[in-house]
Amino acid sequence: QKEVEQNSGPLSVPEGAIASLNCTYSDRGSQSFFWYRQYSGKSPELIMSIYSNGDKEDGRFTAQLNKASQYVSLLIRDSQPSDSATYLCAVLHTGGFKTIFGAGTRLFVKA
Amino acid sequence: NAGVTQTPKFQVLKTGQSMTLQCAQDMNHNSMYWYRQDPGMGLRLIYYSASEGTTDKGEVPNGYNVSRLNKREFSLRLESAAPSQTSVYFCASKSSGLEGYTFGSGTRLTVV
Repeated sequence: QKEVEQNSGPLSVPEGAIASLNCTYSDRGSQSFFWYRQYSGKSPELIMSIYSNGDKEDGRFTAQLNKASQYVSLLIRDSQPSDSATYLCAVLHTGGFKTIFGAGTRLFVKA
Repeated sequence: NAGVTQTPKFQVLKTGQSMTLQCAQDMNHNSMYWYRQDPGMGLRLIYYSASEGTTDKGEVPNGYNVSRLNKREFSLRLESAAPSQTSVYFCASKSSGLEGYTFGSGTRLTVV
């Protein structure tokens, strides 16, 4: 079992729809959870951090965390073609120094 | 404000050659990291430095060495390059334990 698992996609949504990206993790002691966006040929960019159970909203992005189910999700509302990228889920390992990444989900937003 | 700077951006090596990838950050971050990214495998941690003067192995350290030269700089060395080390290498840094990373722009390395 991988430590951080994501559906590789591609996930295709029409412009204006809600895109839902999901991630599960195995380390129950993990404390910090992140979503990064990576455009093709570019480096990952941090878009959301979440540390406690529940929802965290930032503009069109909402991160959701359920530690009991070891599940993290990212919702993108009013999806735009510019949101087309690979989204990486990342979990800070117990101990606080090593972050483990999922393989990423490719998102396509169709105009 | 440059953030995290990596050099070079592209490199082609012959099997057996050595090279050093350079990384520098100007954000006064304590921790620095080297990851490699391969298709379908995501980002895998090679080495990290939790603070100046310390380095530790990550998931895939074999074939690599690192040096934390000072608080700003963290280099990655390939002593004898192998085709399996063909990858995109990212340097990253963060200030403290619970924060996310700032990444450099990456080095695309091909070993032939």
